[in-house]
Amino acid sequence: EVHLVESGGALVQPGRSLRLSCTTSGFTFEFHSMSWVRQAPGKGLEWLGFITAIGYGETAQYAASVRGRFTISRDDSKKAAYLQLNTLRADDTAVYYCARHDGMRFDYWGQGTVVTVSS
Amino acid sequence: QSALTQPASVSGSPGQSITISCTGTADDVGGYHYLSWYQHHPGTAPKLLIYDVNNRPSGVPDRFSGSKSGNTASLTISGLQAGDEADYYCNSYATGNTWVFGGGTKVTVL
Repeated sequence: EVHLVESGGALVQPGRSLRLSCTTSGFTFEFHSMSWVRQAPGKGLEWLGFITAIGYGETAQYAASVRGRFTISRDDSKKAAYLQLNTLRADDTAVYYCARHDGMRFDYWGQGTVVTVSS
Repeated sequence: QSALTQPASVSGSPGQSITISCTGTADDVGGYHYLSWYQHHPGTAPKLLIYDVNNRPSGVPDRFSGSKSGNTASLTISGLQAGDEADYYCNSYATGNTWVFGGGTKVTVL
């Protein structure tokens, strides 16, 4: 059974950094691209970026809104994806989800991890 | 990349059919067949309902169907049930190897 579990969410001060993890099981991780998506309080889902599978060079692409501040990486040996959040702002407060790609769709999601940016 | 446009809310009585629209541009909805829909109950993981405009993953009831015309896609829920009450999001692959979500639609079963 496919499982994705996000972790690393926390209460952090503005300007600080945080790294989120997405640990997976139940599938061949290295064959799948992985995306990160967030939902701010009272708002909709926002796609943040993705990292391609090993067969596509494990390259990352980002939404314009976070490009340059957020970095996505992966460790296929640990079956995990990561989201590095830098220079955090209050409007980065959200639930952060990782999602597995199957083709051009997100077929499995985690339950999310909460990031709160506040002084 | 601007969010795709969805109605904020749609409601219907049990057994009725409702349709949620999702409007984008030629750079996303209109330009690709990679349009998917997700059901999201707050506090849980979003669930894939429809992919590639009109395909259902195994386990998704055929009460859920999708279509697209030009820059607008639609999700129809027929035989509305109480358990369908949730937020629904469209999502499209977009130019630049990115993806974009709609703003979300809250479905209320009256």
